Amino acid sequence: DGGITQSPKYLFRKEGQNVTLSCEQNLNHDAMYWYRQDPGQGLRLIYYSQIVNDFQKGDIAEGYSVSREKKESFPLTVTSAQKNPTAFYLCASKGVGNSPLHFGNGTRLTVT
Amino acid sequence: AQSVAQPEDQVNVAEGNPLTVKCTYSVSGNPYLFWYVQYPNRGLQFLLKYITGDNLVKGSYGFEAEFNKSQTSFHLKKPSALVSDSALYFCAVRDIGGASKIIFGSGTRLSIRP
Repeated sequence: DGGITQSPKYLFRKEGQNVTLSCEQNLNHDAMYWYRQDPGQGLRLIYYSQIVNDFQKGDIAEGYSVSREKKESFPLTVTSAQKNPTAFYLCASKGVGNSPLHFGNGTRLTVT
Repeated sequence: AQSVAQPEDQVNVAEGNPLTVKCTYSVSGNPYLFWYVQYPNRGLQFLLKYITGDNLVKGSYGFEAEFNKSQTSFHLKKPSALVSDSALYFCAVRDIGGASKIIFGSGTRLSIRP
């Protein structure tokens, strides 16, 4: 079945450590997205990529980094510079034109 | 800059009654508009979209949405609510003239009581 896989489902890290969240899709979509979800704030866009080897900052990119070396993969690194990293992170991909986003099931990151 | 607002954090409806979840948007050009639903600890699922054409759009699970250009709104509706409709609902917008940036509202929790 085609879809988006985010791993792991739960992730725990100590403050000051960088951590990388995985996102893989087999939908052959060009565009991929990372959103952060916090209670009462909805989804906020971190980074998005329209094509391999290209990506743009979203509304809250500070403290995050991404790469897009392969069409199928769009990993997100939460760096130690991110002041409040504990959140639910959602990855999505999109086909051509006005196609809707397809979402993974998310990674819940807890930093203590 | 594009933006989307969902003015209600929570909507409570009795089963069998009609429901409305509100959404207003702001874009520089013409919008693509979407509704998604989220169940606990899961990703979002697509419900319906407005691109062009009829202002009333029909989607999954009996949901529909009405596009109103003059009021810049895209409210989600269902004629008869089910308890299983209880979930978190998100409105999203993409500016047709822009890049692939897609922005979401803050979400509305829909609670259907038996």
